[in-house]
Amino acid sequence: EVQLMESGGGLVKPGGSLKLSCAASGFPFSAYNMNWVRQAPGKGLEWVSSISGSSNFINYADSLKGRFTISRDNAKSSLFLQMSSLRVEDTAIYYCAREDYASGTNFDYWGQGALVTVSS
Amino acid sequence: DIQMTQSPSTLSASVGDRVTITCRASQSVGTWLAWYQQKPGKAPKLLIYKTSHLQSGVPSRFSGRGSGTEFTLTISSLQPDDFATYYCQRYNSFPYTFGQGTHLEIK
Repeated sequence: EVQLMESGGGLVKPGGSLKLSCAASGFPFSAYNMNWVRQAPGKGLEWVSSISGSSNFINYADSLKGRFTISRDNAKSSLFLQMSSLRVEDTAIYYCAREDYASGTNFDYWGQGALVTVSS
Repeated sequence: DIQMTQSPSTLSASVGDRVTITCRASQSVGTWLAWYQQKPGKAPKLLIYKTSHLQSGVPSRFSGRGSGTEFTLTISSLQPDDFATYYCQRYNSFPYTFGQGTHLEIK
């Protein structure tokens, strides 16, 4: 069974940093692109970042302006999102999502989400 | 960046109704368009990928059509479990933009 589980969310002050993790199981992790998607309270979905299976291809939403860094550890089947210079508007639930690029099904599995609250 | 616009933003319907949600792209995205369903407090669920392909386990009352810049999601006969928010998403190139969502509510 495919499972994705985020962790590392919490309360952080503006300007602070936080690192999210996503533990994957039930599939060959290194064979899949992985993504982060966020959702501000009461708002819609916003794609954040993508990383290929080999980490060779990485993309970010323009709005992040270099503040976020996506990475992965295939040996540990884990995905990460390092967030720095956090702003109040980064407050959101952050989801990790598997991308089945080969079949074109896109985000076929999602984690339950990790809440990040940026507030003084 | 390519913008995705859904209509309507809110849709009121009854069980058994046939409903259609539209998603328009500001430039062609080919057929690289997915639809997701999200219920309150839950992660989104993939319904349809590549415009018209039904994800495994999704009921056949859901269908998708379109290409280029205009796409539709149709639910042929609404069931109580279908009242949720629906999002389209393009994935032909980065950034993988989502539509703003359509909230489907019970009339």
